[in-house]
Amino acid sequence: EAGVAQSPRYKIIEKRQSVAFWCNPISGHATLYWYQQILGQGPKLLIQFQNNGVVDDSQLPKDRFSAERLKGVDSTLKIQPAKLEDSAVYLCASSLGVPGGPHSYNEQFFGPGTRLTVL
Amino acid sequence: DQQVKQNSPSLSVQEGRISILNCDYTNSMFDYFLWYKKYPAEGPTFLISISSIKDKNEDGRFTVFLNKSAKHLSLHIVPSQPGDSAVYFCAATPMGSFKTIFGAGTRLFVKA
Repeated sequence: EAGVAQSPRYKIIEKRQSVAFWCNPISGHATLYWYQQILGQGPKLLIQFQNNGVVDDSQLPKDRFSAERLKGVDSTLKIQPAKLEDSAVYLCASSLGVPGGPHSYNEQFFGPGTRLTVL
Repeated sequence: DQQVKQNSPSLSVQEGRISILNCDYTNSMFDYFLWYKKYPAEGPTFLISISSIKDKNEDGRFTVFLNKSAKHLSLHIVPSQPGDSAVYFCAATPMGSFKTIFGAGTRLFVKA
């Protein structure tokens, strides 16, 4: 079974530039998550999709971050314009996550992440 | 507001001994708890979980204990192996939700 794919793996940009990350979840997984992991901290949820609808984006800085999940499969996360404090690893994860399903459906499979450095 | 806390940033253990990683939570609505393991340059991988209706779950060398009254859970690894050296994240999910809150992680070093 293919895992969660992310690209690029590394990105270096200057502040005020824009950047986009791509994620392809595991086939059949209804729920997709984007996390931001700052060095020394745990992953922080930015946005959660159920199929192609947004379930939770309460911690997404909407003035600069945007995300979409096309046709309920692939997803892109964009930052425009980037700030120095956006330097982090951006993780994409997916899960079966069917509402009303067993808790085991919440077990998330993570991609390798994209390490973003903003100079 | 840290709802899931891992107060030990790191832990060092001798190979063959027991590793105990601790986690505390504040939200009584959490009803499902997970541990993830992370190697450098990789995403976290699911290790073991426990539902709030249980107080123990075991999978091979890994056992998770849940003390609901103390809002505390722990991960025991017995015996510890050098390949267990990684960062371990405790995570929790509120009932009726698929949102997962992660702790800051504990870096485990297992010395050969």
